[in-house]
Amino acid sequence: KQEVTQIPAALSVPEGENLVLNCSFTDSAIYNLQWFRQDPGKGLTSLLLIQSSQREQTSGRLNASLDKSSGRSTLYIAASQPGDSATYLCAVPSGGYQKVTFGTGTKLQVIP
Amino acid sequence: DTGVSQDPRHKITKRGQNVTFRCDPISEHNRLYWYRQTLGQGPEFLTYFQNEAQLEKSRLLSDRFSAERPKGSFSTLEIQRTEQGDSAMYLCASSFRGFSTNEKLFFGSGTQLSVL
Repeated sequence: KQEVTQIPAALSVPEGENLVLNCSFTDSAIYNLQWFRQDPGKGLTSLLLIQSSQREQTSGRLNASLDKSSGRSTLYIAASQPGDSATYLCAVPSGGYQKVTFGTGTKLQVIP
Repeated sequence: DTGVSQDPRHKITKRGQNVTFRCDPISEHNRLYWYRQTLGQGPEFLTYFQNEAQLEKSRLLSDRFSAERPKGSFSTLEIQRTEQGDSAMYLCASSFRGFSTNEKLFFGSGTQLSVL
């Protein structure tokens, strides 16, 4: 059974700081990993999808890396802004053909 | 492309009542997913449709839950005889060819259900 863990559960940083969010998964037989952002009371917004054949994926100030062998992914946010405040979740395929398992998320607060 | 739409945004009901939620996926997307999320947790997979066919169901989906996707367009999720433990955010997502083909999932804003 795929289990996904995200550490830390919550993070508070001053504006402008670079930060790293971590995601660990137990079954390394994955073909991709996706990072999402969720604002309070809202749905999820896909940020980055990184395929198993890739080691990194970048979008603006966001950079995601994937190390399948160690069962880890990181999301790097450069020059954080108050608008980055949200919960960040990672998700990997598991079990059934279309089933996806999510982590519990990291709640980020960027203080102006 | 107006994104994934869910209706209603909020639903308050009394225990024992039936509720139905609707999801309209992005028009060209033939894959549709339902997830449930409780406070402080990540979303949990409930069920998956490819066009009108329901291809996967989680064991979380008890007999009180039923989902349909007539004609492969919008989908409905019905909960019969609601229980307080059903209180959660119900999220719908869609994609064109599916997460397994390295395509992103697009989520709606969810329906927040409160069972009193």
